[in-house]
Amino acid sequence: DIQMTQSPPSLSASVGDRITITCRPSQGVMKYLGWYQQKPGEVPKLLIYAVSTLQSGVPSRFSGSSSGTDYTLTISSLQPEDVATYYCQKYDTAPFTFGPGTKVDIK
Amino acid sequence: EVQLVESGGGLIQPGGSLRLSCAASGLTVSSNYMSWIRQAPGKGLEWVSVVYIGGQTHHADSVKGRFTVSRDSSINTVYLQMQSLGVEDTAVYYCASGAVGAGENWGQGTLVIVAS
Repeated sequence: DIQMTQSPPSLSASVGDRITITCRPSQGVMKYLGWYQQKPGEVPKLLIYAVSTLQSGVPSRFSGSSSGTDYTLTISSLQPEDVATYYCQKYDTAPFTFGPGTKVDIK
Repeated sequence: EVQLVESGGGLIQPGGSLRLSCAASGLTVSSNYMSWIRQAPGKGLEWVSVVYIGGQTHHADSVKGRFTVSRDSSINTVYLQMQSLGVEDTAVYYCASGAVGAGENWGQGTLVIVAS
């Protein structure tokens, strides 16, 4: 099965900073990669699917991309409401494994 | 508006069985990938099971042979039958739907506690 790694495990940044989170599957998953946001005490929410397609209603400061075997979630200008744990997920073939998560907070 | 409502969670003794339900409205379960995902207390998300649009099912290795996902299209509901439960199965169980495998819509979750 494909393993998913994420880096960093956590990060602390200032409001307005640009931050990036990286997800690396152990094998190729093509375009079948999504990103989720889970705020404390809330249900996870899909932010991005198919590597770079923004889910409806998600602010444009969120973006996704890929380069080689790495997939990246970028928040262009961190806001206080972005404090959350972010997960990547592969969904090419089952198992639809999640990454271990990246916890983001405000410095 | 899409709604997924899970039910069936609770406190169960080790070795016991439980059936979770996910009642869907605003979408047709047979036209979506329907997944179960769980989250142990203080831990990350763990994908558990999926029923594809065509009816095929897949389960994570950690639950294979113990859990079975199914759907009843007549009442637009997905189930997760869980057997031989262990303390490691304690988690909030979420139902999620999507046109592909990604979870576009999630329910609020149902808590399963396995303890004696």
